[in-house]
Amino acid sequence: GEDVEQSLFLSVREGDSSVINCTYTDSSSTYLYWYKQEPGAGLQLLTYIFSNMDMKQDQRLTVLLNKKDKHLSLRIADTQTGDSAIYFCAEKNQAGTALIFGKGTTLSVSS
Amino acid sequence: DAGVTQSPTHLIKTRGQQVTLRCSPKSGHDTVSWYQQALGQGPQFIFQYYEEEERQRGNFPDRFSGHQFPNYSSELNVNALLLGDSALYLCASSRDRADTEAFFGQGTRLTVV
Repeated sequence: GEDVEQSLFLSVREGDSSVINCTYTDSSSTYLYWYKQEPGAGLQLLTYIFSNMDMKQDQRLTVLLNKKDKHLSLRIADTQTGDSAIYFCAEKNQAGTALIFGKGTTLSVSS
Repeated sequence: DAGVTQSPTHLIKTRGQQVTLRCSPKSGHDTVSWYQQALGQGPQFIFQYYEEEERQRGNFPDRFSGHQFPNYSSELNVNALLLGDSALYLCASSRDRADTEAFFGQGTRLTVV
């Protein structure tokens, strides 16, 4: 079945790079996503990558996809205190309609 | 553009009661999906509405039902509330059911006591 797993917690210092990792099970996934959730808020779409790409860069965000290992990562350069949040990795389900989310990685940025 | 809006933002219900949550999609979007996010968990897909019909459903009981109106807004109804239904309910909209990008509202925090 479809499943997404993430490490639960990451702590970094302001100015460092953060790398959040995710593994997924459905090799037929066409799109993979990263969402951000701040306390008490909904989900903000950060970026997504098509499965035929290896990398996508968008300002401070870099997404790497290793389709062979079904591994997705999100790198945040020059991490700021405002980046403190929960980050969710998600894949589209086999029907291409619903999103399957991981449990989220809590990123804590200290100054 | 107001984005996806949900109402109410918070509510408290008693076990056994019924609740209705509302969602207005982003302008230009015609597909609405509902998700349940329990504390400390990722969102779980409940169902999706497209062209006023339920197109796909996740692993949720029949107590969870919904509706989509001609203006694409949607309602989520939960009957016979259980304590375990306490969660953040998120609505997401997209341009069509297989659209690449889904945008989420701020959610409705439901507490069942």
